[in-house]
Amino acid sequence: GAVVSQHPSWVICKSGTSVKIECRSLDFQATTMFWYRQFPKQSLMLMATSNEGSKATYEQGVEKDKFLINHASLTLSTLTVTSAHPEDSSFYICSAAGPKVRTEAFFGQGTRLTVV
Amino acid sequence: AQKITQTQPGMFVQEKEAVTLDCTYDTSDQSYGLFWYKQPSSGEMIFLIYQGSYDEQNATEGRYSLNFQKARKSANLVISASQLGDSAMYFCAMRGGLKTSYDKVIFGPGTSLSVIP
Repeated sequence: GAVVSQHPSWVICKSGTSVKIECRSLDFQATTMFWYRQFPKQSLMLMATSNEGSKATYEQGVEKDKFLINHASLTLSTLTVTSAHPEDSSFYICSAAGPKVRTEAFFGQGTRLTVV
Repeated sequence: AQKITQTQPGMFVQEKEAVTLDCTYDTSDQSYGLFWYKQPSSGEMIFLIYQGSYDEQNATEGRYSLNFQKARKSANLVISASQLGDSAMYFCAMRGGLKTSYDKVIFGPGTSLSVIP
């Protein structure tokens, strides 16, 4: 399968600071990238969907100004958690997919964010 | 709205036995894709198998097969000859094709599978 690299794999930051998470598709052009949040022992909650070169589509209840998503190229998307607070601590995972319904999404390794 | 249901929060299976993980879905799309992913304790998401809504045959990938019943909107995963390494969370996922939900991949709540030696 395709390789999606997510960086960093874990990060600890102070409350009030911003954190950027990168998601790169290494061997295919990802027309669509997804960002998910996962709490312990729960499912993946879709935060937003982004298509290359256009604004991300956020799911209901997800703060656009809090979670900034940029998908500037077919191989890179970034999620920036702005003014992070302890309640933002979670496992964030990105995935990349091609344009067709038949295409499975390939996942990054995930980022464990801890805000102290 | 699209929704996926997995009614088994936890399952146990004896090593070398087969196990079926249930998945039902709800969508108004005519064209959609169904996927199963495995998530071990490390957190990585591992793609297992895909079934398209127009595929007439049930998908198979090695020890994994998908029992697709379109009229009942179910897509159960069957793991044959369970191995200890199969212990993990299993998620059923769907990708739809309507303009309003294009590209979305949504996940069910997951089933925790434990393989007993």
